[in-house]
Amino acid sequence: QQPVQSPQAVILREGEDAVINCSSSKALYSVHWYRQKHGEAPVFLMILLKGGEQKGHEKISASFNEKKQQSSLYLTASQLSYSGTYFCGTEEANYGQNFVFGPGTRLSVLP
Amino acid sequence: DSGVTQTPKHLITATGQRVTLRCSPRSGDLSVYWYQQSLDQGLQFLIQYYNGEERAKGNILERFSAQQFPDLHSELNLSSLELGDSALYFCASSARSDTQYFGPGTRLTVL
Repeated sequence: QQPVQSPQAVILREGEDAVINCSSSKALYSVHWYRQKHGEAPVFLMILLKGGEQKGHEKISASFNEKKQQSSLYLTASQLSYSGTYFCGTEEANYGQNFVFGPGTRLSVLP
Repeated sequence: DSGVTQTPKHLITATGQRVTLRCSPRSGDLSVYWYQQSLDQGLQFLIQYYNGEERAKGNILERFSAQQFPDLHSELNLSSLELGDSALYFCASSARSDTQYFGPGTRLTVL
């Protein structure tokens, strides 16, 4: 079942922060985050595994709330290069279940 | 460059025809995933192979089939093509159930 992402789209000024949420009605084993720029392939950002954790890389970090089956991606002090569509992908807790991407959140960072 | 290669880059064909898309994973990656992305749409998971065996299946049509060969490259076969099959088809590879590295995609146009 496809996870839900919110918001659908967000427009920021350079230097502002953003949060993108991803939630599922299923028990999850992992949540993946990807960014796709127009006309390009998706690029991996990070993966969060069951057990609830938070990961970060410089100004992009994410958390996974296992109880709520929800993950959030945090982008701080956004840069122009952050523009793109962000997809979360979820893998259900049952072995062999589908890996499903959310519908995406379109992020535009303006100068 | 993700290390995943896909051929051909572009494919134009007619309705009713059959095509084969090819994917070579990153060296050492045993998993291959296939995705379909229609114009301005999200990523639709089709199928996953792990070391030659089917691991998970998404919303893959019966007209579509895939396989992974002993050298780990994979092929996605699309038959009885319809206009609605026009899309970008991505292949991704991973070592296990973690980071997926996407290839550049094959753009299929069905006329």
